[in-house]
Amino acid sequence: GAGVSQSPSNKVTEKGKDVELRCDPISGHTALYWYRQRLGQGLEFLIYFQGNSAPDKSGLPSDRFSAERTGESVSTLTIQRTQQEDSAVYLCASSSGTGDAFFGQGTRLTVV
Amino acid sequence: AQKVTQAQTEISVVEKEDVTLDCVYETRDTTYYLFWYKQPPSGELVFLIRRNSFDEQNEISGRYSWNFQKSTSSFNFTITASQVVDSAVYFCALSEANYNQGGKLIFGQGTELSVKP
Repeated sequence: GAGVSQSPSNKVTEKGKDVELRCDPISGHTALYWYRQRLGQGLEFLIYFQGNSAPDKSGLPSDRFSAERTGESVSTLTIQRTQQEDSAVYLCASSSGTGDAFFGQGTRLTVV
Repeated sequence: AQKVTQAQTEISVVEKEDVTLDCVYETRDTTYYLFWYKQPPSGELVFLIRRNSFDEQNEISGRYSWNFQKSTSSFNFTITASQVVDSAVYFCALSEANYNQGGKLIFGQGTELSVKP
């Protein structure tokens, strides 16, 4: 597609429920990133996929967080047993490997 | 360890003033990349510039200019003759990856710039 697409744009969920966030990267981009941005804060790295290499999961805050990506296509970020502290905007970015990452508009997650 | 520090949390200027946003980074690698992103109120991050560690030439793009100094590990961003539309949060970021391998970006905490008419 023309840009990075994320869905849903907004998600409100009850504490304890699981959520799945989706990211469609720019076609042909080999690298895909997930970041979290809490209100008024900077971007916190979560996970990074590069081609068929093992993902860099070093930023995942707990084992409730996981992400998958098949090849160079769509990625899903799953948060299990959501907690109020998970409320944030989750941003996805992709790059062609040049290092210029282009971001989607994010999914605003609210856990009530 | 990699780290990016943007010491200025908020800056407020009046339109047409020049403003400089500071960025200081830490890395052990000799090859790295530095970036600036703009996040307007709409929320989407907009890529502004990428520089590699071997190119210390300053860069100018319209009203924007960047000053990269390895000696002080700084990559500062100046907006000349600021405009209200420049109001946004600006993030500096660092990547330690090789140019053709991509790599995760480590972001600073951001500087919120407010330009008043």
